[in-house]
Amino acid sequence: GAVVSQHPSRVICKSGTSVKIECRSLDFQATTMFWYRQFPKQSLMLMATSNEGSKATYEQGVEKDKFLINHASLTLSTLTVTSAHPEDSSFYICSARDQGAEQFFGPGTRLTVL
Amino acid sequence: TQLLEQSPQFLSIQEGENLTVYCNSSSVFSSLQWYRQEPGEGPVLLVTVVTGGEVKKLKRLTFQFGDARKDSSLHITAAQPGDTGLYLCAGGPPADYKLSFGAGTTVTVRA
Repeated sequence: GAVVSQHPSRVICKSGTSVKIECRSLDFQATTMFWYRQFPKQSLMLMATSNEGSKATYEQGVEKDKFLINHASLTLSTLTVTSAHPEDSSFYICSARDQGAEQFFGPGTRLTVL
Repeated sequence: TQLLEQSPQFLSIQEGENLTVYCNSSSVFSSLQWYRQEPGEGPVLLVTVVTGGEVKKLKRLTFQFGDARKDSSLHITAAQPGDTGLYLCAGGPPADYKLSFGAGTTVTVRA
């Protein structure tokens, strides 16, 4: 149990376009979902916390207008990178939490902006 | 923000050797988690330690939580090439369930 999926697994886009990444909890209802980004050879950095039906809470330094998060249901959260630029190229990982404290991580999405 | 420092940053050992990874903080954590991440994949939870002084074993992996709940260690006995990966410790305040990750330790086990 406790499986989290992400789609797509990798995406390549042109500079200036927007990209949507989906995060789904497959066999449980996620009270909270988290979005992280990870640069090569580095650790995970929390970008935002998303609760179903309410606005996401962004970490300091993360632009909320650039990284739009929608948590429409208890099993789906989406991250949209708007007007993507090469510096947004990264590995984006989501996690989901049910009633407990444990977070279950998705497999990640590799975004490359040309 | 509760900071976690991991050491060493890189470890390269021969198959069959032992290794220890450390995770330290000046803050007290209600719990700490250890994850392993392989390239191009998300982190996979190995263990959660909750009680100060706790020791948990997972086959050849031994996890310890310090008495003061500020530090933790991961010890691998007789490492195998399949143990290769990025090991991350993580913890956070219980109130909002956010996790802060250490910088990670890249472990390479050579056959």
